[in-house]
Amino acid sequence: QVQLQEWGAGLLKPSETLSLTCAVYGGSLSGYYWTWIRQPPGKGLEWIGEINHSGTSTYNPSLKSRVTISVDTLNNQFSLKMTSVTAADTAVYYCAAVWLGGGNCFDPWGRGTLVIVSS
Amino acid sequence: ETVLTQSPDILSLSPGERAALSCRASHSLTSSLAWYQQKPGQAPRLLIYDASNRATDVPARFSGAGSGTDFTLTISSLEPEDSAFYYCQQRSSGPPSFGQGTRLEIK
Repeated sequence: QVQLQEWGAGLLKPSETLSLTCAVYGGSLSGYYWTWIRQPPGKGLEWIGEINHSGTSTYNPSLKSRVTISVDTLNNQFSLKMTSVTAADTAVYYCAAVWLGGGNCFDPWGRGTLVIVSS
Repeated sequence: ETVLTQSPDILSLSPGERAALSCRASHSLTSSLAWYQQKPGQAPRLLIYDASNRATDVPARFSGAGSGTDFTLTISSLEPEDSAFYYCQQRSSGPPSFGQGTRLEIK
């Protein structure tokens, strides 16, 4: 059973770069798309982007100019970088998996990590 | 981009009652729609995938139906622990997207 755990800096100042990593336990990176999703406090879910084990990535058009997702097959993890953050980027950030064998859905999810952007 | 619109925004029902949550897509999704349950302070939990398939360990009182642009999540007999937000999600038509959510309150 694949399990995910994300970590990274939880407090940023405006204009800084958000950097998060998600470790994958109990399975390899192949056979899945690895995804980042965020949820501002009290609001709904927003897909940020995803990547496969080969490094092919796609991004939410509204965030594409600021986001990079990368994969580290050696350490079985993937990462999110988002530049020029503002208060609007304050959210719980989740990593999640999409099994390429079907379902077109996100399962499992990490527990999420709160990132606050404040001066 | 496919927009998912959920209704109602808030649903307040008593234990034992039946809940029907709707998700309407702006473009046809065939049957590729998922439903999630999210409780405060927790990550979303997958309930239903491909419109009508229950995920592992999901109780049988949860069922999904629909195709094209109209989908429904039904909870046949509400339990107190079903109080949560519910989100629909698609990944087959343009960038993945989520509905805005339905808050289900158990009286």
